[in-house]
Amino acid sequence: GQQVMQIPQYQHVQEGEDFTTYCNSSTTLSNIQWYKQRPGGHPVFLIQLVKSGEVKKQKRLTFQFGEAKKNSSLHITATQTTDVGTYFCTGGSNYKLTFGKGTLLTVNP
Amino acid sequence: DGGITQSPKYLFRKEGQNVTLSCEQNLNHDAMYWYRQDPGQGLRLIYYSQIVNDFQKGDIAEGYSVSREKKESFPLTVTSAQKNPTAFYLCASSPGQGAGNTIYFGEGSWLTVV
Repeated sequence: GQQVMQIPQYQHVQEGEDFTTYCNSSTTLSNIQWYKQRPGGHPVFLIQLVKSGEVKKQKRLTFQFGEAKKNSSLHITATQTTDVGTYFCTGGSNYKLTFGKGTLLTVNP
Repeated sequence: DGGITQSPKYLFRKEGQNVTLSCEQNLNHDAMYWYRQDPGQGLRLIYYSQIVNDFQKGDIAEGYSVSREKKESFPLTVTSAQKNPTAFYLCASSPGQGAGNTIYFGEGSWLTVV
């Protein structure tokens, strides 16, 4: 069945450093979504990418969808302590979405 | 306010007991979901429902049961058959089913077996 893999599983950075998490699918995705879950909270929708090679930005966050629509990345420039949390990607080519295991980001102030 | 309400937030269960987690949404969404989250395991789909009176098993349905008698309600029962029920349970909904639909999550319910 379809699998969505995220790497790395954990990432610890110093405040101000950049951070990137990658999402890879075993099958072609019709779209990909990214969610953020703060510690003790629930996942919250960040963005959706649909087109091959699409790049979207939200302030310091840059999201990219691969040309083959099988991978995606989330890059955070100059991390802040407010960026702490787990970042999930999810994608589907059918009626059921599959979540990756997420990347836990911790930031040392 | 519109959203998804889960209750209770914290629940303790004795071994051998069934417990039911409530999930109500006022977003008028057709699709609803239950996920289980364990530390380092991400989100695993238990059950989902695309429409009233219909639901399908997800990846880890064994030991769980659901009902969808009303559009706004999707309760989850954790039965005694679930061998390791201690976890964080998230209810979610989306306008439709599958890719392209944003998923909205409730605040979650913590279940602990004592």
